[in-house]
Amino acid sequence: DQQVKQNSPSLSVQEGRISILNCDYTNSMFDYFLWYKKYPAEGPTFLISISSIKDKNEDGRFTVFLNKSAKHLSLHIVPSQPGDSAVYFCAARGGSGGSYIPTFGRGTSLIVHP
Amino acid sequence: DTAVSQTPKYLVTQMGNDKSIKCEQNLGHDTMYWYKQDSKKFLKIMFSYNNKELIINETVPNRFSPKSPDKAHLNLHINSLELGDSAVYFCASSQDLGWEQFFGPGTRLTVL
Repeated sequence: DQQVKQNSPSLSVQEGRISILNCDYTNSMFDYFLWYKKYPAEGPTFLISISSIKDKNEDGRFTVFLNKSAKHLSLHIVPSQPGDSAVYFCAARGGSGGSYIPTFGRGTSLIVHP
Repeated sequence: DTAVSQTPKYLVTQMGNDKSIKCEQNLGHDTMYWYKQDSKKFLKIMFSYNNKELIINETVPNRFSPKSPDKAHLNLHINSLELGDSAVYFCASSQDLGWEQFFGPGTRLTVL
């Protein structure tokens, strides 16, 4: 039972354009969401996070949007760069009453073409 | 000055053997984790260890056991290895349970 779903296994965009990676979740106890980036043969690295009390968090070229009613979040990368080519994992964890251990999606492979 | 390190990076072994993977973090974090990334690329939590409290994913076979000699180390012992144990295993740490995690580079385990 996948509580965190990344339904697009891959995404291809042109350099300079916007990349939008999507993530859906089913557990209403989740209150903190994280995005990780992973290059081949390396471990995931933390990118950006958002608390359920917010609907947007921005860090440079990266912005995460949260729609709680739809149980959906998205990561926007603008402008996309070839170095952004990686696998992006969405993760979510529960707050009080839920599990604090993050649950990960299966990842979306982003390819940014020069 | 690696934050989270794992050894070995590659491990090839025969079915039935017992093996260990070591993990060390120098970030002063209170919580450490082990994840398994299987062939379908899911990152599945196996264990978390926070202030001497072990939280186990109930789906993990008891052939897997974490050992934490101190706060900076969380090693993974695997007994009687099976073909299905072949995967990449990631160690991670965080300041507290559930916060941003720092991952090690992974250990690719192949069971023949």
